[in-house]
Amino acid sequence: DARVTQTPRDKVTEMGQEVTMRCQPILGHNTVFWYRQTMMQGLELLAYFRNRAPLDDSGMPKDRFSAEMPDATLATLKIQPSEPRDSAVYFCASGLSGETQYFGPGTRLLVL
Amino acid sequence: KQEVTQIPAALSVPEGENLVLNCSFTDSAIYNLQWFRQDPGKGLTSLLLIQSSQREQTSGRLNASLDKSSGRSTLYIAASQPGDSATYLCAVASNSGYALNFGKGTSLLVTP
Repeated sequence: DARVTQTPRDKVTEMGQEVTMRCQPILGHNTVFWYRQTMMQGLELLAYFRNRAPLDDSGMPKDRFSAEMPDATLATLKIQPSEPRDSAVYFCASGLSGETQYFGPGTRLLVL
Repeated sequence: KQEVTQIPAALSVPEGENLVLNCSFTDSAIYNLQWFRQDPGKGLTSLLLIQSSQREQTSGRLNASLDKSSGRSTLYIAASQPGDSATYLCAVASNSGYALNFGKGTSLLVTP
């Protein structure tokens, strides 16, 4: 049963610290997405890749967020420095272009 | 920018009722529409995907319809059960990258 995996599942950190979230997409999927969910804003797109190439990262605060796919089995989302307003659940999803997106369990981030 | 709206925000029904969840979107130039289920503290589970050329999709007790010209989709749940209690999210892919724009969801409670 193929699944998207994300680590860590929970992260508590202090303001100003670097946070790195990792995602392993389903093998064979060519698109990878990062979304963020908050109570106020709901689910928002941060960035996405096709065949490991970044297509759009306009949803991310560029000065502090970065997203990469160093290889086909790993996507990373980094926040440096983190701020309390970054507290949210971060989801990774993967799929084949134009087909169903499959979501990971999320990383719950709390920045104090 | 694509705006996705879901009505109602919350719904409570007795077990056994048939129910309809509504989703509307502002830009009819979509690639596909996806319905998800989210249980508290969990990730998203894909329920149905409707491509822009399709009018409806069915899976078990679920039926989703799409009217692109009017910017509407409905999710019909037949013979509701307490296990259907969850938040249901509608999401629209409006660009060739297939990134999703989400509604805020409908929180469904099915009482025994």
